[in-house]
Amino acid sequence: SQKIEQNSEALNIQEGKTATLTCNYTNYSPAYLQWYRQDPGRGPVFLLLIRENEKEKRKERLKVTFDTTLKQSLFHITASQPADSATYLCARWGPGTASKLTFGTGTRLQVTL
Amino acid sequence: GAVVSQHPSRVICKSGTSVKIECRSLDFQATTMFWYRQFPKQSLMLMATSNEGSKATYEQGVEKDKFLINHASLTLSTLTVTSAHPEDSSFYICSALSGASTDTQYFGPGTRLTVL
Repeated sequence: SQKIEQNSEALNIQEGKTATLTCNYTNYSPAYLQWYRQDPGRGPVFLLLIRENEKEKRKERLKVTFDTTLKQSLFHITASQPADSATYLCARWGPGTASKLTFGTGTRLQVTL
Repeated sequence: GAVVSQHPSRVICKSGTSVKIECRSLDFQATTMFWYRQFPKQSLMLMATSNEGSKATYEQGVEKDKFLINHASLTLSTLTVTSAHPEDSSFYICSALSGASTDTQYFGPGTRLTVL
């Protein structure tokens, strides 16, 4: 079956540190992966998209990498703040031209003072 | 830009009644809309994909007669949960694809359905 797994259900880090979240997938390699933030009781908010031919993408304090050999994407938040506390979801498109997203289970990030 | 709204944000209903949830793209035309369901501490599960003017495509295991989807215009899709039961209680989220950007889904804020 097509799986997309986020290894940590929860991650606790101190303010100012870099949070690193992992997303692993099986079977087919997606053309791209997406990362979303979800706050409790709210819909996901799109953060970043990285394509299979891109090794790394950045947006302000966020950085995403995509390793098609390892079938893994890493999501980094540098200089983390308590306001970054949320659940972060990775998602992949497909398979093929199928226009639908499959989401990972999410990692709940807690940034403490 | 790319704002998607849902109405209502939360609804409580009695078992056996039907509930309609609206999803609107406010500042763009959505060629395709998606409906997801999310149970507590679980990820989003795709229920169906709807394209304006055509029948929705349902994921395996989702009853199309129970979850009626209508995508009558490029800015509005509705999900009707018919004869709701307590096990249908969940967080329902819609998303929309714009014609301009076919690889990014914009999500609504979700609708919390509680069936008593």
